[in-house]
Amino acid sequence: QKEVEQNSGPLSVPEGAIASLNCTYSDRGSQSFFWYRQYSGKSPELIMSIYSNGDKEDGRFTAQLNKASQYVSLLIRDSQPSDSATYLCAVNYYGQNFVFGPGTRLSVLP
Amino acid sequence: DGGITQSPKYLFRKEGQNVTLSCEQNLNHDAMYWYRQDPGQGLRLIYYSQIVNDFQKGDIAEGYSVSREKKESFPLTVTSAQKNPTAFYLCASTDLGTETQYFGPGTRLLVL
Repeated sequence: QKEVEQNSGPLSVPEGAIASLNCTYSDRGSQSFFWYRQYSGKSPELIMSIYSNGDKEDGRFTAQLNKASQYVSLLIRDSQPSDSATYLCAVNYYGQNFVFGPGTRLSVLP
Repeated sequence: DGGITQSPKYLFRKEGQNVTLSCEQNLNHDAMYWYRQDPGQGLRLIYYSQIVNDFQKGDIAEGYSVSREKKESFPLTVTSAQKNPTAFYLCASTDLGTETQYFGPGTRLLVL
């Protein structure tokens, strides 16, 4: 059974701080990794994708992948109250199905 | 304007009734998926289809059925056999080139 684990939170950070969200996965055959943001009552929207070890930056967001440790993270710099949402980690296996983590709820305090 | 549309936004089901949720995409994606999300929970895969006229069961297919007669459309029927259907239903499609999945706006199903 392929599993993706995340801390459910809530993770609370003050406005302007760095929020760090973590995700671990069970299958070493995983090929691609995604972070989605989901506001309450809405559908998930893609924030970042990462395919190879290392860091990938897009604006205030940085995704980090370590395949040896089966670990992927998302850093949000200069956190804003509008970043308050649930963040879903997703893993794709050999271009087939996606497995989603349960999500981490982030609260950015003004 | 490309994207995934789902209808209706809200759907009410009576006991013993079958209901169908619509999902349409104009992204030219081959693969389409249905997920169920319960409050405070992650996404659970119901059915998926990677090609027209073919589909496979996901982790929680019991009480649901699908069809894939056109590339653009992947409707989900919630049958009377699904005893606890109240949930948020999400349709998604995947760009197989980038292996990226995109979601529709969702349908919230409630039982009367």
